[in-house]
Amino acid sequence: DTAVSQTPKYLVTQMGNDKSIKCEQNLGHDTMYWYKQDSKKFLKIMFSYNNKELIINETVPNRFSPKSPDKAHLNLHINSLELGDSAVYFCASSLRDSNSPLHFGNGTRLTVT
Amino acid sequence: AQRVTQPEKLLSVFKGAPVELKCNYSYSGSPELFWYVQYSRQRLQLLLRHISRESIKGFTADLNKGETSFHLKKPFAQEEDSAMYYCALFSYNQGGKLIFGQGTELSVKP
Repeated sequence: DTAVSQTPKYLVTQMGNDKSIKCEQNLGHDTMYWYKQDSKKFLKIMFSYNNKELIINETVPNRFSPKSPDKAHLNLHINSLELGDSAVYFCASSLRDSNSPLHFGNGTRLTVT
Repeated sequence: AQRVTQPEKLLSVFKGAPVELKCNYSYSGSPELFWYVQYSRQRLQLLLRHISRESIKGFTADLNKGETSFHLKKPFAQEEDSAMYYCALFSYNQGGKLIFGQGTELSVKP
C-alpha cells in the first residue's frame, strides 16, 4: 500500500534517447510534483500539477514534458536525453494547502551515458 | 527573492552531543517552514513543521522572524539520526511551491 510510487527505480540510457518515468499516488491528493535532485543533493522543483492542470513550470528545458492523465498520476517524459539530465527525480504529492506536507516517492535514479 | 539557505553541507557530531542544523530564509510574507529528512536508501519525509510547534524524534525547530531562521535542534544526537536534512519554505508565488535549502548531511558517530 505504497502512497507515492514511481517507476522505474533505476534508469540507465544513452544520450539522445527518449525515456519516461511514471508516478502514481493513492492518497487522494490533488497536487503532484516533480523534483530533481542533482549530484550535490540539491532539490529543485520542476513541475507542479493540480487536478491535472499545470500550475508550476520552472525553467526546465522543453525536452521535459509532464503529463497528468488524472489527478492520481503524473508522468515525466524526457526527449533527447543529455548527460546533464543525470540525477535523481522525485515525484511528490500533497493537498493544495500550504501546510499539507509533501509525500515523496522513492526516486528514480537516471544515468545518461 | 524567496530563498532557503543551509550553510553547512556536512555536520559531524558524536553520539550524545547536542546538534543544531542551521536554516535561514528570505521571504517577504509570513513564512511557513518545514524540515524534511532523508535517511539512507529511504524516501524524503516530513520531520516537522513550524506551525505545529511539535517535537519529533527529539528534534525541535523554532521560527525566529527577527533572525529569519528556523534552526533544527536536538539535545542528544543518536546514531540513527544520521541522514540528509532539508529545510523548506512554502512560497505562495506561482501557485504555491516548496522551496528547499541545499541540505545538510548529519553524521552521528558512535
